[in-house]
Amino acid sequence: DTGVSQDPRHKITKRGQNVTFRCDPISEHNRLYWYRQTLGQGPEFLTYFQNEAQLEKSRLLSDRFSAERPKGSFSTLEIQRTEQGDSAMYLCASSYRADTQYFGPGTRLTVL
Amino acid sequence: LAKTTQPISMDSYEGQEVNITCSHNNIATNDYITWYQQFPSQGPRFIIQGYKTKVTNEVASLFIPADRKSSTLSLPRVSLSDTAVYYCLVDNYGQNFVFGPGTRLSVLP
Repeated sequence: DTGVSQDPRHKITKRGQNVTFRCDPISEHNRLYWYRQTLGQGPEFLTYFQNEAQLEKSRLLSDRFSAERPKGSFSTLEIQRTEQGDSAMYLCASSYRADTQYFGPGTRLTVL
Repeated sequence: LAKTTQPISMDSYEGQEVNITCSHNNIATNDYITWYQQFPSQGPRFIIQGYKTKVTNEVASLFIPADRKSSTLSLPRVSLSDTAVYYCLVDNYGQNFVFGPGTRLSVLP
């Protein structure tokens, strides 16, 4: 299967710790997106990249959130000093240019 | 960005056709309409996309009237495994990333 993959699938951490999630897009896709989803809500857009350039980051939830895509392939999303309110599913999606986005399985974060 | 409105929930029975309508009154000329399906603890899965009239694939049909202010996702002969949340998204060349709360479809035996 050559779909979008995310690692880890589940992460439990204590409040105040830093966490990093990884996303590997579909190989020929040059766009990569990060979303957050809380229970009962639709995905909430955070940021996206075209190749290695981060084209939209104003919707990152706070300065504790950052994302990178250094070589235009995989991407990481880091949350520093986690808070209980950060508990959610973090979704990654990729697309070829502005075509349809294909989502990964998500990383479930639980902050204790 | 075009805002969408969908019913919060719908119930159906196995074998029936289900139609979920999405309203997008301020859709722009370049906007496409895309529907996704999401099961619990999984990422959304692309179902179908269209611009106008009717689009059909092996999973669903999408009906878009001439004014494009709404669209209807049609799922033929649903089964229990179609129980999921369905999202309508209006997108302009990948510039809109706003998902609404979706429609929670429950298929009953």
